Amino acid sequence: DTAVSQTPKYLVTQMGNDKSIKCEQNLGHDTMYWYKQDSKKFLKIMFSYNNKELIINETVPNRFSPKSPDKAHLNLHINSLELGDSAVYFCASSHGLDNSPLHFGNGTRLTVT
Amino acid sequence: RKEVEQDPGPFNVPEGATVAFNCTYSNSASQSFFWYRQDCRKEPKLLMSVYSSGNEDGRFTAQLNRASQYISLLIRDSKLSDSATYLCVVRYNTDKLIFGTGTRLQVFP
Repeated sequence: DTAVSQTPKYLVTQMGNDKSIKCEQNLGHDTMYWYKQDSKKFLKIMFSYNNKELIINETVPNRFSPKSPDKAHLNLHINSLELGDSAVYFCASSHGLDNSPLHFGNGTRLTVT
Repeated sequence: RKEVEQDPGPFNVPEGATVAFNCTYSNSASQSFFWYRQDCRKEPKLLMSVYSSGNEDGRFTAQLNRASQYISLLIRDSKLSDSATYLCVVRYNTDKLIFGTGTRLQVFP
């Protein structure tokens, strides 16, 4: 009965590869997010989707492409992986209302070698 | 200037101590505020929302000062299990939540 689940938990891959991270929420939330947490532990928003529509795209390279097939899913595809993409990627969801907090998935630790 | 700023710490305090963290935000249009807690190698989890009149949840008290654009978190009677990173979060525009860099707390016996 996990609320926000993302897979895989760990991802180790080589530079230049293409990889995807999946995220699903069963909370009935309208809004989903991807955040990146770098080695300095700073959590930075990448994308936000509301009811399958892209709301926020925070100057993320075009190699990152989110896809939301329905409002319960928000997947992240990354092309041509670079060393600097190594980080923990967190999926989150919320009701999208003013006072709604975020609920996070467990994170995907991506290591690019 | 960062949108949300926190003292990174670490704050090293003995069990039973009272400790306070502050967080400042730059956007006066910010709408709602939260404190999250993140344990090492785990996801952030909501600790508490912050309301205009201030609010308390057990040993935790949150305050908001809109005029000075800061929020605070007070932890009384610190426990070892309070050791974590505390993240200040600010929402402006309905769908945008900005995180501070976090303040690390270490409670020692």
